[in-house]
This record gives sequence, C-alpha cells and structure tokens, in this order.
Amino acid sequence: KAGVTQTPRYLIKTRGQQVTLSCSPISGHRSVSWYQQTPGQGLQFLFEYFSETQRNKGNFPGRFSGRQFSNSRSEMNVSTLELGDSALYLCASSPPWGGEAFFGQGTRLTVV
Amino acid sequence: GESVGLHLPTLSVQEGDNSIINCAYSNSASDYFIWYKQESGKGPQFIIDIRSNMDKRQGQRVTVLLNKTVKHLSLQIAATQPGDSAVYFCAERTGTASKLTFGTGTRLQVTL
Repeated sequence: KAGVTQTPRYLIKTRGQQVTLSCSPISGHRSVSWYQQTPGQGLQFLFEYFSETQRNKGNFPGRFSGRQFSNSRSEMNVSTLELGDSALYLCASSPPWGGEAFFGQGTRLTVV
Repeated sequence: GESVGLHLPTLSVQEGDNSIINCAYSNSASDYFIWYKQESGKGPQFIIDIRSNMDKRQGQRVTVLLNKTVKHLSLQIAATQPGDSAVYFCAERTGTASKLTFGTGTRLQVTL
C-alpha cells in the first residue's frame, strides 16, 4: 500500500510569488491535514480537509489556503510569499474511522 | 539533512540502555495521544498511540505511559539502538477532530 506522497520535495521561490504544494493520501483515506514545521515554531496545524470540505483550520493568515479533490488528493497554496514562510510543509492522511495520522516526506519550501 | 529543530532538548543515551522521553500536554480534554519519530529529511513516523481510558500501552520495545492527573506522557524505549536516533514528538487530539497538537520535540542521540 503506497504511503502519503507529497510533491515536489523541494522548492525555491522568491518573495511575493505564490506556490502550490500537492499531497496524495493513502488509498481509502478521506481526511488530509497540512502542517508547517519550522525550527522556531515546531509543527503547527494549518488545516484539514475531509470529503472536499475544510473541516478544521489553524491560526494562519488567509494567504494560506487549500482544497481537496474528489479523489481525496489535496493541494495547499501560499500566496504573496514571505521569508518567514520558509518551512517544511507536511501532509498527513487519516483513515475514515480516525486513528493515527500518516505523514508524507514533506515539501521543503525556501523563500528567498 | 533537514533540521527539524535547532534548539530541541536532547537526550543522550548509550546503546543498549533504556530511554525515557517525557512530554507535558496542555489540553485536559485531549483523549488520544500519539508518539512520532522523525528522522532527518523524513516526515514523522507513527510509533505508538494511547487513548485516555488507558494509562499504559506496550509495543515492540516501546511503552507509552499516560498520567492524566498531571497531564504527562512518556515514551520508554527498551534497549536503545543507533537506529532510534531521531527527534521524538508527542501529539494530542480531542474527540473526532483530526487536528493534532504537537509538543516541541526531544532529540534522542544514541552513543556507541
């Protein structure tokens, strides 16, 4: 069974640009959550999607958005990038009955 | 590799010794707890979980202890091996929500 797949693995963007990250969950998982990981703030919850609807949202500005498709694949978008957005962005999927979240390898975003 | 935390508390143990990693959680309503292991360049990997109606759960070489009175969680690793070197995070969740709140993490270094 394939794990959670995130693409791309690495990205370098310039301040002011926008970026889209992709996540394919484990087959059968309908819940996809996104997290930002930085040395200073640790792992912070961005948002969660379930059946194409945002079910939960963390405390991030509106520049951070996401969506989920009918096949449960999810994308997150960050607009007007700032230097502070440099981080490892992690996606996790969970089975329909709850239980542990399975994480992908992450996308390392560097904003210059 | 990627740094997941520049200023994490570090636990240094000798190979073959037992390791104990502690975590204090904040939400008394949390009813599900997970320990994750994160190696450099990888996403968090599930180790073991425990629900709030239990105070101890054992896996292969790992034991999680939960003390709800003082909101404390610990992970015990028996016969620590070099491959156990990583950053360990505890995470808590409330109800059926998928949002995980992570602790700051502890870096485990295994010396030969």
